[in-house]
Amino acid sequence: QLQLQESGPGLVKPSETLSLTCTVSGGSISSTNSYWVWIRQPPGKGLEWIGSTYYSGSTYYTPSLKSRVTVSVDTSRNQFSLKVSSVTAADTAVYYCAREDVGKMGAMDVWGQGTTVIVSS
Amino acid sequence: SSELTQDPAVSVALGQTVRITCQGDGLRNYYASWFQQKPGQAPLLVIYGKNNRPSGIPDRFSGSSSGNTASLTITGAQADDEADYYCNSRDSSGNFLRVFGGGTKLTVL
Repeated sequence: QLQLQESGPGLVKPSETLSLTCTVSGGSISSTNSYWVWIRQPPGKGLEWIGSTYYSGSTYYTPSLKSRVTVSVDTSRNQFSLKVSSVTAADTAVYYCAREDVGKMGAMDVWGQGTTVIVSS
Repeated sequence: SSELTQDPAVSVALGQTVRITCQGDGLRNYYASWFQQKPGQAPLLVIYGKNNRPSGIPDRFSGSSSGNTASLTITGAQADDEADYYCNSRDSSGNFLRVFGGGTKLTVL
């Protein structure tokens, strides 16, 4: 059964770079029918789709964050990662990684449990 | 601002039927998927495609679409269905980007 697990620092200082990793288990990140996604949810607010990657390295970003976000994939480690540069308090959120299943019309059918990142000095 | 619009809150009496809607231009061309999120939990996929339920999702959940509006219907709402519900679909430009609706808080009375 496919499982995803986020990891990374829970506290990041303003202006620094937030870095998170999602480890995929129970399946291959090189699956041709999967895209790998990052989503975030600020406290008390809704979900925001950040970006996604394919095992080939193709990436897609939401326009509002594109200048600060990098999503990458490491097939040798079965992991994908998120970097958000120049963070501010507005980047404080629960960050989720998820899988988009091409066979389910791109629906995000498997999610990690989420990791809380606080931006504060 | 989100390209998908949802009512912020909806309520339903226990055992009755409720429809949660999601509006956006992109929905004329692409299906929405629907997620249920309870406090402190990750979102859970409940509907995808035309009207498909992942394994384990009760059949009281169904989806439909007409024009620029996608709907999630819960027939015979249970207390356990009280949660936030989010729609998600492709960006209206039709590329690989995706967007979420702002979410609807469902209260079961």
